[in-house]
Amino acid sequence: DAGVIQSPRHEVTEMGQEVTLRCKPISGHDYLFWYRQTMMRGLELLIYFNNNVPIDDSGMPEDRFSAKMPNASFSTLKIQPSEPRDSAVYFCASSATGIQNTEAFFGQGTRLTVV
Amino acid sequence: GNSVTQMEGPVTLSEEAFLTINCTYTATGYPSLFWYVQYPGEGLQLLLKATKADDKGSNKGFEATYRKETTSFHLEKGSVQVSDSAVYFCALRGSNFGNEKLTFGTGTRLTIIP
Repeated sequence: DAGVIQSPRHEVTEMGQEVTLRCKPISGHDYLFWYRQTMMRGLELLIYFNNNVPIDDSGMPEDRFSAKMPNASFSTLKIQPSEPRDSAVYFCASSATGIQNTEAFFGQGTRLTVV
Repeated sequence: GNSVTQMEGPVTLSEEAFLTINCTYTATGYPSLFWYVQYPGEGLQLLLKATKADDKGSNKGFEATYRKETTSFHLEKGSVQVSDSAVYFCALRGSNFGNEKLTFGTGTRLTIIP
């Protein structure tokens, strides 16, 4: 498997524009996580899904953020409208079920810059 | 809720020195514990894990033991190399439905000097 695939790797956008980040989890994994990493706040969990259903979205900062998982092989994180304080690296991760499979595998991340 | 407290960095060591990065946790139930490593410009990679008390995770010369009595999972390596320079994250994952998220510590930046 190619691992967790995120796109784009880098995104520069102007304030007020809509931004969509994409993630393809590892095939067969039933958990998907979206994290945001900044120098000030470290790694923050935004939302996670189990079997395509959102389980905990308490980390989503505002209504400007939304996430979907229409099927087991694809998820999106959308920011509309974007603001400079949304600049960060956004990571997607996936994992399987089972006590021996508790680790999550991370994508390479999307570096978002909002100017 | 679950939480992870990790030794503050940055940590700078000479090559071949002994490394310890402290990590303690607070959790309900029986979480799994992890150390992840992040190299510049990359995502997080699993370094090692332990899924139950007294388990020892090991990889690439790094070790950590799941100590339930002290709620700790300290990372150790006997002789560090320049290539070990990276940011290290301690993490836990809950075992109950609705609590399966990975909770991370703040990260410790490690620099090894030749």
